[in-house]
Amino acid sequence: NAGVMQNPRHLVRRRGQEARLRCSPMKGHSHVYWYRQLPEEGLKFMVYLQKENIIDESGMPKERFSAEFPKEGPSILRIQQVVRGDSAAYFCASSPLDRAYEQYFGPGTRLTVT
Amino acid sequence: AQTVTQSQPEMSVQEAETVTLSCTYDTSESDYYLFWYKQPPSRQMILVIRQEAYKQQNATENRFSVNFQKAAKSFSLKISDSQLGDAAMYFCAYGRETSGSRLTFGEGTQLTVNP
Repeated sequence: NAGVMQNPRHLVRRRGQEARLRCSPMKGHSHVYWYRQLPEEGLKFMVYLQKENIIDESGMPKERFSAEFPKEGPSILRIQQVVRGDSAAYFCASSPLDRAYEQYFGPGTRLTVT
Repeated sequence: AQTVTQSQPEMSVQEAETVTLSCTYDTSESDYYLFWYKQPPSRQMILVIRQEAYKQQNATENRFSVNFQKAAKSFSLKISDSQLGDAAMYFCAYGRETSGSRLTFGEGTQLTVNP
């Protein structure tokens, strides 16, 4: 059973461009979470999704950030008009329906904004 | 809101010795989970150990064990017989016992293992 997959692993964008980060949960997992880790800090929750539904986006910045988890395909975290402060590692985690507290993390996507 | 505090930004231990990493948390909930995650230089987040708040018995996973003090809201990680591969950033995390609970992380403790 493959783990949580994230791609790309590294992404470089210039200020003002869009960044798209992808996450494929573990097989059989129906919950997806996105976290952001700024340099020298712990992980901070951004958004929690189930298939076709955003359940909790209270940690997501109000502007420029959006997330989706379509019926088919990976979950996408989209950052529009990136700024230098968006440079961070973005982690996706997934959990099974009956053990939502058991989160398995992907390897992360390191976003660098130049 | 729940908060997790790790008061030791850095710790070091000699190989084969024992080290304890501290974590305190704040919550008004009675049912929750606590976790220790390890983040090596690869940056992959690896679950080390999990504790259910309703269990009085401290969790143990091989050389890793916790000291869970619910009343004091304390959750420390003990690593016995430290190995070079234990060197990493360690994060304490809190999660509620509800469906789809986010995790709240501490700021981390960087552990160095000296040969």
